[in-house]
Amino acid sequence: DAGITQSPRYKITETGRQVTLMCHQTWSHSYMFWYRQDLGHGLRLIYYSAAADITDKGEVPDGYVVSRSKTENFPLTLESATRSQTSVYFCASSESGEAFFGQGTRLTVV
Amino acid sequence: SQKIEQNSEALNIQEGKTATLTCNYTNYSPAYLQWYRQDPGRGPVFLLLIRENEKEKRKERLKVTFDTTLKQSLFHITASQPADSATYLCALDPASGYSTLTFGKGTMLLVSP
Repeated sequence: DAGITQSPRYKITETGRQVTLMCHQTWSHSYMFWYRQDLGHGLRLIYYSAAADITDKGEVPDGYVVSRSKTENFPLTLESATRSQTSVYFCASSESGEAFFGQGTRLTVV
Repeated sequence: SQKIEQNSEALNIQEGKTATLTCNYTNYSPAYLQWYRQDPGRGPVFLLLIRENEKEKRKERLKVTFDTTLKQSLFHITASQPADSATYLCALDPASGYSTLTFGKGTMLLVSP
């Protein structure tokens, strides 16, 4: 299917566990982003990437790791999940300003 | 620090009226300003982009203005419909070269029949 897809849609994990959220886009967009959305904060940028093997921190990167070995994939890993990382995570891609978002992953850390 | 403000309270209007949403920002010099729509449980969807040298942009029933002196953007939906009910987000792009967007918290619009 064309577009940007995230998996899983829902995830419950325990404190201290490692969890990886997946993001895949079919447009070959250069830019990819991870945002988290929380009540009272809106969307906040975690990490972004301008191309394969080029990543950089956003506003709230602590506790997260990203990689981009292929243009189409941009996984986000929580190395040791904490309750404060309970949130809805959105992946997005862009080529020229306009961003296309995935449907989101709702992550609950218990 | 950078700050983006959107009306925190929901905007309630009647069908057929024009909805006007506001986005104000401080300590920022964006090259572009974008508006997105977000429905519950879904990701944001792009609506319009306006550049710093453009005063106004239109798309069907949507109109966006961008005043870099006032540091404000207004988003208008004319002839509003119940299907327009959603949360609308403004986003600033500093044209850093990475197209990173900084989002406001959004304003919920409720259009009643």
